[in-house]
Amino acid sequence: GQSLEQPSEVTAVEGAIVQINCTYQTSGFYGLSWYQQHDGGAPTFLSYNGLDGLEETGRFSSFLSRSDSYGYLLLQELQMKDSASYFCAVRDTKGGGNKLTFGTGTQLKVEL
Amino acid sequence: KAGVTQTPRYLIKTRGQQVTLSCSPISGHRSVSWYQQTPGQGLQFLFEYFSETQRNKGNFPGRFSGRQFSNSRSEMNVSTLELGDSALYLCASSLGGQGTYEQYFGPGTRLTVT
Repeated sequence: GQSLEQPSEVTAVEGAIVQINCTYQTSGFYGLSWYQQHDGGAPTFLSYNGLDGLEETGRFSSFLSRSDSYGYLLLQELQMKDSASYFCAVRDTKGGGNKLTFGTGTQLKVEL
Repeated sequence: KAGVTQTPRYLIKTRGQQVTLSCSPISGHRSVSWYQQTPGQGLQFLFEYFSETQRNKGNFPGRFSGRQFSNSRSEMNVSTLELGDSALYLCASSLGGQGTYEQYFGPGTRLTVT
């Protein structure tokens, strides 16, 4: 079956660095994405890894190791507005297909 | 550019009824995907439409169906509603071509089945 595991909750202080891990087991793998969702809001795209390694976008970085079926999202210089749920998602179809299997989500709480 | 819009935003239906939800993608986007979000099951893929054809399908019963029009707008229909269909239904649009992976989500339709 398809499964993506993430920690359910992470708490950190403002200004700190936090890492949210994601391990996956899927029938196909064509990339790992990360989405942020604030309470009552829509998921918004953060990052994508199609190949092994680190991708950096401002304060956010994402890493992928396909051999370990593992990735993580790194958030630096945490701000209160980063308090939200974070989802990893695997694209498990070839080509331009957008069938995403989402992880269980990690609720990040940023404290003063 | 305007974002993804979904109508209606909120809906209350009775068990056994049917419902149609609408999604207008970002201009120029040809792919529309639908997801169901519930506290218990999280975000689950329903189906994807690209150029009026269903390109991918999730593991939902046949009561869930969809279609896409020539202007890329999409509708999803749920027939014979069950209490368990209460959820936030999200649509997401993307360019849809090879190598595109970023999806833009709409605000969702909150469906309550009583």
